[in-house]
Amino acid sequence: RKEVEQDPGPFNVPEGATVAFNCTYSNSASQSFFWYRQDCRKEPKLLMSVYSSGNEDGRFTAQLNRASQYISLLIRDSKLSDSATYLCVVNSNYQLIWGAGTKLIIKP
Amino acid sequence: GAVVSQHPSWVICKSGTSVKIECRSLDFQATTMFWYRQFPKQSLMLMATSNEGSKATYEQGVEKDKFLINHASLTLSTLTVTSAHPEDSSFYICSARVAGGGTGELFFGEGSRLTVL
Repeated sequence: RKEVEQDPGPFNVPEGATVAFNCTYSNSASQSFFWYRQDCRKEPKLLMSVYSSGNEDGRFTAQLNRASQYISLLIRDSKLSDSATYLCVVNSNYQLIWGAGTKLIIKP
Repeated sequence: GAVVSQHPSWVICKSGTSVKIECRSLDFQATTMFWYRQFPKQSLMLMATSNEGSKATYEQGVEKDKFLINHASLTLSTLTVTSAHPEDSSFYICSARVAGGGTGELFFGEGSRLTVL
């Protein structure tokens, strides 16, 4: 089992819709969690950290479920510009473990 | 946010040649830089952690004699792919952590796409 797993997608979603995807991790002692966004052939950029209590930043909501060992990312009112690959990152034993990413395609 | 510049963005080379990739922190000092490699549709894989003034720490399976890392100053780390082969073709990305920043506060270079013919 991979340490961090994501559904590769692609998720094809109409503009304006709400989309959510999860990321599971295997190490129950993982300390912190992040979502990064990566556009095609570009470097990853931090989208948001994931806090235990859940957090929201505009149209984006991130949640952590320690019992089931997954984090989630919810995007509301999706925009064409949200099309990208979303990478889940888990800080496990002080190392950052990257998921392979979930590809999201927003269609007009 | 902090800026990390990586150069070159694209490089095509012949098999057997060496390629150097530079990673610079433009507006901050980076005592630690990280080098990643990303194959198509795969996750970023950490290759090595570069510490200013000391030897880099390589991840398991990464050949230190093939991937030479030099971090001679607080703003520059270089990765040299020696005797490159087609299987080394990949997207190489560096990142740096701002001193005192949280574990997730990494700033990435633009990446270097290496194609070995």
